[in-house]
Amino acid sequence: KAGVTQTPRYLIKTRGQQVTLSCSPISGHRSVSWYQQTPGQGLQFLFEYFSETQRNKGNFPGRFSGRQFSNSRSEMNVSTLELGDSALYLCASSPGTGTSGVYGYTFGSGTRLTVV
Amino acid sequence: AQTVTQSQPEMSVQEAETVTLSCTYDTSESDYYLFWYKQPPSRQMILVIRQEAYKQQNATENRFSVNFQKAAKSFSLKISDSQLGDAAMYFCAYRSANFGNEKLTFGTGTRLTIIP
Repeated sequence: KAGVTQTPRYLIKTRGQQVTLSCSPISGHRSVSWYQQTPGQGLQFLFEYFSETQRNKGNFPGRFSGRQFSNSRSEMNVSTLELGDSALYLCASSPGTGTSGVYGYTFGSGTRLTVV
Repeated sequence: AQTVTQSQPEMSVQEAETVTLSCTYDTSESDYYLFWYKQPPSRQMILVIRQEAYKQQNATENRFSVNFQKAAKSFSLKISDSQLGDAAMYFCAYRSANFGNEKLTFGTGTRLTIIP
């Protein structure tokens, strides 16, 4: 079974630009969650998509948005980038049903975003 | 809101010895899941072990075991026969058992160093 694929691995953007990150979940998984990891704030939940609908949302400004396609692939978009958005962005794949807690979540290797 | 606390930012252990990483959490829910994830320098979060709160028996996966104390809201990870490949950041995580709530709440992590 192929793992969770995140692209790109690294990204450098300028303040004020926007960026789109991609996550392809494990085949058959319908839920994709996004997390931001920084040294100062640790791992913080951004949002979760299930069957093309945002089902859960963390406490991030509206500049952070996402979507999910019919094949369960998900994209995350950050507009008007700020220096503080520099982070490792991880996505996690799960069935999205009641078994998610039983079997855990599978993470990708992340996208390292640097805002200059 | 749930919180997860890992009070040991760093730990070290001699190769082949045993080490215990601590985790406490706060929740008003009675049913939930707890996880330990490992994050090596490759950045990918790898599931080490999981525990369902309604199960009194402590989970075990090869050299990894947990001590789950529900009343004390404690969930420690014991690594036996430590190996060099165990060196990584270890994160404790909580997930509600409520259907559709896929959010993981993470602790701040413990960096584990293995001394040859």
